Amino acid sequence: EADIYQTPRYLVIGTGKKITLECSQTMGHDKMYWYQQDPGMELHLIHYSYGVNSTEKGDLSSESTVSRIRTEHFPLTLESARPSHTSQYLCASSEAHQETQYFGPGTRLLVL
Amino acid sequence: KQEVTQIPAALSVPEGENLVLNCSFTDSAIYNLQWFRQDPGKGLTSLLLIQSSQREQTSGRLNASLDKSSGRSTLYIAASQPGDSATYLCAVSLLSGGSYIPTFGRGTSLIVHP
Repeated sequence: EADIYQTPRYLVIGTGKKITLECSQTMGHDKMYWYQQDPGMELHLIHYSYGVNSTEKGDLSSESTVSRIRTEHFPLTLESARPSHTSQYLCASSEAHQETQYFGPGTRLLVL
Repeated sequence: KQEVTQIPAALSVPEGENLVLNCSFTDSAIYNLQWFRQDPGKGLTSLLLIQSSQREQTSGRLNASLDKSSGRSTLYIAASQPGDSATYLCAVSLLSGGSYIPTFGRGTSLIVHP
């Protein structure tokens, strides 16, 4: 089983609040990803990183930001949460040369 | 833009049946294809990864095949069990702007009843 963690698992928050979703992995993987998934829908890549100090935007336009200061840590921040941000957020990591992705358990976000 | 389609969207079968789940993609210049399992309210678990140069991969009762030229992959589940009930997702990675970007299908929701 992959060692990748996400906190919190569930979050209910009011509009306008700043939130940070945490993602950590202990496998030493260089690549990390953030996906957004609505019920019954496909995963959409919103951010990814190929290593420390590397961050890129994915296919889905997102108002969130990410940082990669340490290999094991890839937090995602929403400066001002809105109801449209309500979704499940999944973090993943992979070794650069193998590409098999390992996923965390996800964070379910509800913005009121 | 790569599009990934999974058929059927949902499937309900009795225990013991052999199953085939389908995944098709529009751009055949893929780097690899991965099959995942997702249980309700949880993250994804990788089942099989097929590199673009490979034709199939096997793990236990699971066999995944890849036909790049036709843009298709199938996941074969032998002797299905109730514990196989989950959503199965297919993802293809394509080189885009110097990075390998995965694109996911919507999944096939499988129920195996006793």
